[in-house]
Amino acid sequence: DTAVSQTPKYLVTQMGNDKSIKCEQNLGHDTMYWYKQDSKKFLKIMFSYNNKELIINETVPNRFSPKSPDKAHLNLHINSLELGDSAVYFCASSQGQGPYGYTFGSGTRLTVV
Amino acid sequence: AQSVTQLGSHVSVSEGALVLLRCNYSSSVPPYLFWYVQYPNQGLQLLLKYTSAATLVKGINGFEAEFKKSETSFHLTKPSAHMSDAAEYFCAVSGDRNNDMRFGAGTRLTVKP
Repeated sequence: DTAVSQTPKYLVTQMGNDKSIKCEQNLGHDTMYWYKQDSKKFLKIMFSYNNKELIINETVPNRFSPKSPDKAHLNLHINSLELGDSAVYFCASSQGQGPYGYTFGSGTRLTVV
Repeated sequence: AQSVTQLGSHVSVSEGALVLLRCNYSSSVPPYLFWYVQYPNQGLQLLLKYTSAATLVKGINGFEAEFKKSETSFHLTKPSAHMSDAAEYFCAVSGDRNNDMRFGAGTRLTVKP
């Protein structure tokens, strides 16, 4: 059983399209995150949810909208995709913030053409 | 706000040699510090963490790190490198309960036969 699973693993799409990435965790964690990893491997927090409530929303274009139907799921919807959105998106979960390590999914490589 | 700086974007060692990956942190509160490893096309995996207990922390795969408050450092070491250690390594920091985890830029470790 994968602890944090993301789908799809690869996503190739044209500019202007709308796409979603799904994430599910079976660890019973209360907090889930979306990170973006660029081509230089730099990781940037995008969103953080605690028990279905948004607690962190970094400076991310409003074309990106997270949705958490329950505490085990955190999906990411992206409208009007742009070339600059091409990256690897990671979902992660933790027992909470502070001293808790994160468990990461295997990532979704998004390529916008 | 917390941050970490990883010194050296690329470190190359011979198999069997000492591995030393450097990380310095900046934090206005006692930090929680982490090291993660990312193998190609995979998500990040927690190697070890410091949460204000012992200053010398042992992790998986023979890695350890020492928290030095006077030097604001949390360097990662392994006495003898193995080919399988080749990967990207990330240092990360989080603060109190309301702070998310911030990652360094990563250090790519290459192990030569």
